[in-house]
Amino acid sequence: GAGVSQSPSNKVTEKGKDVELRCDPISGHTALYWYRQSLGQGLEFLIYFQGNSAPDKSGLPSDRFSAERTGGSVSTLTIQRTQQEDSAVYLCASSQEVGRGTAFFGQGTRLTVV
Amino acid sequence: QKEVEQDPGPLSVPEGAIVSLNCTYSNSAFQYFMWYRQYSRKGPELLMYTYSSGNKEDGRFTAQVDKSSKYISLFIRDSQPSDSATYLCAIRGSWGKLQFGAGTQVVVTP
Repeated sequence: GAGVSQSPSNKVTEKGKDVELRCDPISGHTALYWYRQSLGQGLEFLIYFQGNSAPDKSGLPSDRFSAERTGGSVSTLTIQRTQQEDSAVYLCASSQEVGRGTAFFGQGTRLTVV
Repeated sequence: QKEVEQDPGPLSVPEGAIVSLNCTYSNSAFQYFMWYRQYSRKGPELLMYTYSSGNKEDGRFTAQVDKSSKYISLFIRDSQPSDSATYLCAIRGSWGKLQFGAGTQVVVTP
């Protein structure tokens, strides 16, 4: 596609429910990144993928968070048993390769846990 | 100590003034330097990208990198109200993970 696409753009969920956030990177980009941005805060790194593998999962805040990428394209970030502190904007970015080129961001998914 | 430090502002300037933004970083292995602009409720948008010390100019924007001091800057000339946004520096080594500063909120007043 022309840009990084994320869905849904907004998600309101009840505390304790599971949510899935989707990222469709720019066609041909092998590297994919997930970040979280809380209100008025900078970007917090969560995880990145090179192809389908995730060499660095160090940013996932707890074992309730997981991510996968299949076919070297679309990625899904899953948050289980959501908590109110999970409320944030979840941003996805892609680049040609890890370590090369710049990263382009999607518009984000605004998650609100009530 | 954070790997990338950036003053969160806010930075308020009158229209037409020069906006000066900067970040410092701690790891000399970082090689790639970027500036992103983020409008409220939008994703970050890439403004400038450089991988060497020195200046890079693009229209009203100039990015400056000083690797010896581990210091990067972004200058916006002839600032406009439409430049009001949060500006994020991002730095990366060859291993790939982008490290972001906290972002500086800029307000350009007419």
